[in-house]
Amino acid sequence: AQSVTQLDSQVPVFEEAPVELRCNYSSSVSVYLFWYVQYPNQGLQLLLKYLSGSTLVKGINGFEAEFNKSQTSFHLRKPSVHISDTAEYFCAVSDTNSGYALNFGKGTSLLVTP
Amino acid sequence: DTGVSQNPRHKITKRGQNVTFRCDPISEHNRLYWYRQTLGQGPEFLTYFQNEAQLEKSRLLSDRFSAERPKGSFSTLEIQRTEQGDSAMYLCASTTTLRSYEQYFGPGTRLTVT
Repeated sequence: AQSVTQLDSQVPVFEEAPVELRCNYSSSVSVYLFWYVQYPNQGLQLLLKYLSGSTLVKGINGFEAEFNKSQTSFHLRKPSVHISDTAEYFCAVSDTNSGYALNFGKGTSLLVTP
Repeated sequence: DTGVSQNPRHKITKRGQNVTFRCDPISEHNRLYWYRQTLGQGPEFLTYFQNEAQLEKSRLLSDRFSAERPKGSFSTLEIQRTEQGDSAMYLCASTTTLRSYEQYFGPGTRLTVT
């Protein structure tokens, strides 16, 4: 069975500051890892994914994440945030055993203020 | 490519009524997933289809819920005898078998049961 833990429910940050959103997972098999963003009243948009290979993955809107197998983590980072990054961010895992059904964390609300 | 569409976007119903939602996937996407997202939580997997075959159902999908994808294109999710606990955002996602790890989400249908 898989599980995903997003360690922070809310992260307030000032505009142009760096940010890290934390995600830990547990699984008995190899997994694929994802970060999705959800803007108010909208569906989910894929930010980035880790399937295999390089542990540092780059996504859209200047976000990147690093897969750390030993710490079972997949933290999301951005060196300088914008007001428009204010949204809900979800970490998710899937594997072939589950038909690639996504198992999501509870989400982290990123609030960027001037 | 018009993206995944869902109808209606909002549905208000009285407890005990039946409701049906529709999802139109991206054309040529043979896999279709349904998720449910309650307030303050991440999406939870409900079920998925490959073409017209329903391959997996979550334990969350009680016997009041039924999903179909009769011709392998659009899908419907029906909830019978709605309860207040069914109030949630119902999300649909589609993908192809070869790239099932990359799911594209629709905007969702928000159900409110009064």
